[in-house]
Amino acid sequence: DIQMTQSPSSLSASAGDRLTITCRASQSIGSFLNWYQQKPGKAPKLLIYAASSLQSGVPSRFSGSGSGTDFTLTISSLQPEDFATYYCQQSYSTLLTFGGGTRVEIK
Amino acid sequence: EVHLVESGGGLVKPGGSLRLSCAASGFTFSNAWMNWVRQAPGKGLEWVGRIKSKTDGGTADYAAPVKGRLSISRDDSKNTLYLQMNSLKTEDTAVYYCTTESYGMDVWGQGTTVTVSS
Repeated sequence: DIQMTQSPSSLSASAGDRLTITCRASQSIGSFLNWYQQKPGKAPKLLIYAASSLQSGVPSRFSGSGSGTDFTLTISSLQPEDFATYYCQQSYSTLLTFGGGTRVEIK
Repeated sequence: EVHLVESGGGLVKPGGSLRLSCAASGFTFSNAWMNWVRQAPGKGLEWVGRIKSKTDGGTADYAAPVKGRLSISRDDSKNTLYLQMNSLKTEDTAVYYCTTESYGMDVWGQGTTVTVSS
């Protein structure tokens, strides 16, 4: 299986901050990388697909980049509603896998 | 509007069985690849398995921890996805979500809770 490693596992930030979360795959996955946001008690929501494509309806402050094994999710200016947990997920392999998650908390 | 509604969760003893359903609406279900994803209490997301559309072969793939015990099927005439869960273990306790899959898992249900406990 392809292992997905996110860092950091948690962070504290303030509204207005620029935030970057990284995701590393155990082998090259091309651009087959998706990002999700999950708020407590809610289902996850797709933010970014194919490493850098913004899902319809997602604010433009969210962006994704990377290819191969190293990927980043960036939030250009953190908003109060962005405090949540973020997951990466690879869709290169037949067997899909998620990263362990990054919890973004209010400083 | 695209909608997925899971049902069938509950409390079951270790070694028992349960069948989850996911009712789909608002899109052409027969063309969709569908996934089950679970989340144990306080933990991250774990992919359970996926079934392709019949036009793409209709085959299912599973994560190693569930292979041989959990089985995904679909009834395109009823727009419904199923997860048959056998030989359940305490570590199967989780919220189970069904999702569509096109570019990423783009639509999620609200989840149904399965608790495996004696």
